[in-house]
Parts: sequence; structure tokens; C-alpha cells
Amino acid sequence: KAGVTQTPRYLIKTRGQQVTLSCSPISGHRSVSWYQQTPGQGLQFLFEYFSETQRNKGNFPGRFSGRQFSNSRSEMNVSTLELGDSALYLCASELLGRGATGGEQFFGPGTRLTVL
Amino acid sequence: QQQVKQSPQSLIVQKGGISIINCAYENTAFDYFPWYQQFPGKGPALLIAIRPDVSEKKEGRFTISFNKSAKQFSLHIMDSQPGDSATYFCAASYAGGTSYGKLTFGQGTILTVHP
Repeated sequence: KAGVTQTPRYLIKTRGQQVTLSCSPISGHRSVSWYQQTPGQGLQFLFEYFSETQRNKGNFPGRFSGRQFSNSRSEMNVSTLELGDSALYLCASELLGRGATGGEQFFGPGTRLTVL
Repeated sequence: QQQVKQSPQSLIVQKGGISIINCAYENTAFDYFPWYQQFPGKGPALLIAIRPDVSEKKEGRFTISFNKSAKQFSLHIMDSQPGDSATYFCAASYAGGTSYGKLTFGQGTILTVHP
């Protein structure tokens, strides 16, 4: 079974631009979560989608948004990029979502975003 | 109350030795505790996980010990190998409410195993 895939793997943007990152979960997985990883703050939860609905959101500004499609693929968007948005953005897929049993999240390789 | 505190920040072990990484949590609602291993340039990979109804879980050279009363859990890597050199993260989550999909991570431990 193929793992979680993320595209693109690397991105360089300038301040003020916007960016869209894509995530394809493991086949059959319906929950997709997004995380930001930085050396200073570690791994921080952005949001989670299940059946095209955002069920949970972390403590990030409204410039960070996302969506999920009917095939469970997900995108996240960051508008008006700031230097501090430079990070590794990770998506993770889960079979049913934590509301049922489970809890096992499988991560993709991440998208390395650099904001200049 | 949502924090997970991990120690040490870095750890150096000789090949064949035991690596021990500790985590402590505050939120008693947490009921799922995974450990992740991350190599440079890769996403975190699920290593082993435990729920609070057991005090220990072993998978190969990796063991989680869980102390519910102390709100602590730890990862033991037996017979540590140079290939185990990576960053290890503990995490915690709980079902339902506003916790959907959210893993709360520790700050990570950089493990170096010398040959």
C-alpha cells in the first residue's frame, strides 16, 4: 500500500505571496491532519479534516487554511506569507479519525517551505 | 495542560547499549501515547504506541513503559544500533471533543549511537 504523499517537496516563496500544499492520504484513510515543524516550536497541530469537514483547528492565524476533497485528498493554503512561516509542513493520515478507535497517524515526507 | 515534556534533548549511547527517553504529560484525558522516529529529510514514522490500560508494551528492541499515576511514559531501545540514530518524539492524544486528529508532541530527543 502506498504511503502518504505530499507535493511539492520543496518550495521557495517571498513574503506576501501565497502557497498551496497538497497531501494524498493512504488509500482508505479518511482523516487528514496537518502539522508545522520548526526547530524552535517543534511539531504543532494546524488542523484536521474528515469527510471534507474541518473538525479541529490548532492555534494558528486565519492565514492558514485547508480543505479536503471527496477522495480524501487535502490541501492547505497559507496566504500573505511571513518569514516565520518557513517550516516543514507535514500531513498525516488516519484510518477513521480519533473519534472512533485508532489514533495511528501516518506521516508523509513533508513539504519544506522557505520564505525569503 | 496540553503539554508533553520530553527529556533529554540529546542522548549519546554506545552500540549495544540501552537508550532511554522520558516523557511526562499533564492532561489526564490523554489515552493514546505513540512514539515517532524521524530521520533527516523524512517525515516522522510511527514506532510503537501504548494505551493506559497496560503498563508496558514491547515490539522487538523497542519497549514503552507507562506509569499512569505519575503521568509519565518512556521509550527504551535495547541493543542500540548506529542505524537507530535519529530524532525521537513522544506524543499524546485523546478521543472525541475538540481533539480530533490532534497529536500533542514532545520537543524531541536527538539520539546518536556510536559504533
